[in-house]
Amino acid sequence: EAQVTQNPRYLITVTGKKLTVTCSQNMNHEYMSWYRQDPGLGLRQIYYSMNVEVTDKGDVPEGYKVSRKEKRNFPLILESPSPNQTSLYFCASIGSTEAFFGQGTRLTVV
Amino acid sequence: AQSVTQLDSQVPVFEEAPVELRCNYSSSVSVYLFWYVQYPNQGLQLLLKYLSGSTLVKGINGFEAEFNKSQTSFHLRKPSVHISDTAEYFCAVRPVSGTYKYIFGTGTRLKVLA
Repeated sequence: EAQVTQNPRYLITVTGKKLTVTCSQNMNHEYMSWYRQDPGLGLRQIYYSMNVEVTDKGDVPEGYKVSRKEKRNFPLILESPSPNQTSLYFCASIGSTEAFFGQGTRLTVV
Repeated sequence: AQSVTQLDSQVPVFEEAPVELRCNYSSSVSVYLFWYVQYPNQGLQLLLKYLSGSTLVKGINGFEAEFNKSQTSFHLRKPSVHISDTAEYFCAVRPVSGTYKYIFGTGTRLKVLA
């Protein structure tokens, strides 16, 4: 079964404490992406990766980092989270004609 | 560059009534079009997609959409909604060639009333 697994589902953290949201896919897709969802703004792309060791900024990359050391994993790193990064985050694994999304990570930064 | 407009942020409708959720897009290149649904506390699930061919596309749960190239629209319809259709619906486009980047609309919250 095609699957994108994100962890954790929920996270409350304090300003400045580094955190990582993990994402793993089992479809052997080369292209993966991170989005954040905010009310009234839809989904906006944070970073994407076209293959192992190939990553690039999306539309809202400030305050985020990513890595792609192996094809199946694409973690999102917040090195010093701030309250404006409170949001719902989605990882996507992109096939030739369809994107598959994880269940989402609801992050609250206090 | 591409953009997607979903003019209706919220649509209330009574159970068993028909519904149409509107989506318009702008693009200088050919695109694929998608509708995704997000149920409360869940991820995005593909409802339907238009890649090529017939402009009327049927999806899951009785939804359908029609691609209108001249009006650059991809409206989603269902002839009779159920309470369980209450969710947020996102229209999205992706260029046919080149980047795999999806551009999403701001979403339409469908509220089905008993």
